[in-house]
Amino acid sequence: EIVMTQSPATLSVSPGERATLSCRASQSVSTNLAWYQQKPGQAPRLLIYGASTRATGIPARFSGSGSGTEFTLTISSLQSEDFAVYYCQQYNSWPPYTFGQGTKLEIK
Amino acid sequence: EVQLVQSGAEVKKPGESLKISCKGSGYSFTSYWIAWVRQMPGKGLEWMGIIYPGDSDTRYSPSFQGQVTISADKSISTAYLQWTSLKASDTAMYYCARRELTTPYFEYWGQGTLVTVSS
Repeated sequence: EIVMTQSPATLSVSPGERATLSCRASQSVSTNLAWYQQKPGQAPRLLIYGASTRATGIPARFSGSGSGTEFTLTISSLQSEDFAVYYCQQYNSWPPYTFGQGTKLEIK
Repeated sequence: EVQLVQSGAEVKKPGESLKISCKGSGYSFTSYWIAWVRQMPGKGLEWMGIIYPGDSDTRYSPSFQGQVTISADKSISTAYLQWTSLKASDTAMYYCARRELTTPYFEYWGQGTLVTVSS
């Protein structure tokens, strides 16, 4: 089973600033990685797939990069609605399609 | 419009059985895998298993194998997650999600079903 590790667990950033979230896989997943955003009381929302492709309707301030075992989600200029929990998920090897433990992005 | 609509919240006692559902609409239900994801209170997402309604091919995470059963009824475009004997540790929000065809990420999610197991 591939283990996904996200860092940091909590990230405090001011609105308008850049946020950088990391995700590491225990073995290569190529670019078979997705990022999801989850707000309290809501289902997860797909942001990025294929490590760097934005899903339909996702603003351009969200970008993903990386391949193999190291991945990054960058939010270029944080808006109030971006404060949430973010999860990475690998879909290179299944079952299971493992998630990271999440990074909580909070307002500084 | 693609929709996954899950059954309502449940409150059960330890040892009871339960089956929750996820009804798909707006697409060909038999052509897409449906996964189940657990989220325990205040915790992260855990991938439980997945079913292909077209032929009921089912795969489980090792962590959930033998603990739950995933099934589907393609005649009514509905996937199910069931337990035969609930434990307090099964208390969680459960989501269904549709796996996309060519690249297996999950774009469409149900609204979640909260299962509470308490004596």
